[in-house]
Amino acid sequence: DTGVSQDPRHKITKRGQNVTFRCDPISEHNRLYWYRQTLGQGPEFLTYFQNEAQLEKSRLLSDRFSAERPKGSFSTLEIQRTEQGDSAMYLCASSPTGTSGNNEQFFGPGTRLTVL
Amino acid sequence: GEDVEQSLFLSVREGDSSVINCTYTDSSSTYLYWYKQEPGAGLQLLTYIFSNMDMKQDQRLTVLLNKKDKHLSLRIADTQTGDSAIYFCAEDFGSGNTGKLIFGQGTTLQVKP
Repeated sequence: DTGVSQDPRHKITKRGQNVTFRCDPISEHNRLYWYRQTLGQGPEFLTYFQNEAQLEKSRLLSDRFSAERPKGSFSTLEIQRTEQGDSAMYLCASSPTGTSGNNEQFFGPGTRLTVL
Repeated sequence: GEDVEQSLFLSVREGDSSVINCTYTDSSSTYLYWYKQEPGAGLQLLTYIFSNMDMKQDQRLTVLLNKKDKHLSLRIADTQTGDSAIYFCAEDFGSGNTGKLIFGQGTTLQVKP
């Protein structure tokens, strides 16, 4: 296993378009997280899944954002009607533990979104 | 609400020790973490400390936790040019063992030869 992968690595889109990002976690990691990172800031939590169940969404996540993890493996994050303020790096992380332990999260390389 | 604060920039000479500081607000955090981010690379977990500990050492890294003052620090001994990166502290937040993390804004470490 080569770690968490994300696709695409870069996406340029025009305002108002929809975009979808994919995250493939490390095999058998039951938790998957999405974060957003803007320039000069740390990552901000968006949402997370335990297997296929989406357990929490941040208040940062407007109704234009939706995330799925249909079979408890890969996840998609869709942004509808993109706005320039959505420009950021979108990070995915996965964790092997759901019940105890330090919840070490392994991060992917991110998808950089630029909205023109 | 929850907040994590870090100084933005630190410059040291190669071979010196670096100390990166962080303050946090959520006293219920179970674990606190230090991550490293290099240009074009993903976040890499460096080390973590359980909240009932006050110190953890891992090779060149020493983490100190002052729970009373909600202060966390990362000391890097014998800093090398390859340590140049952005360092983030993070705490888990929210009730239950969710693993949600809140990050500081990151400290850029510049190591001069």
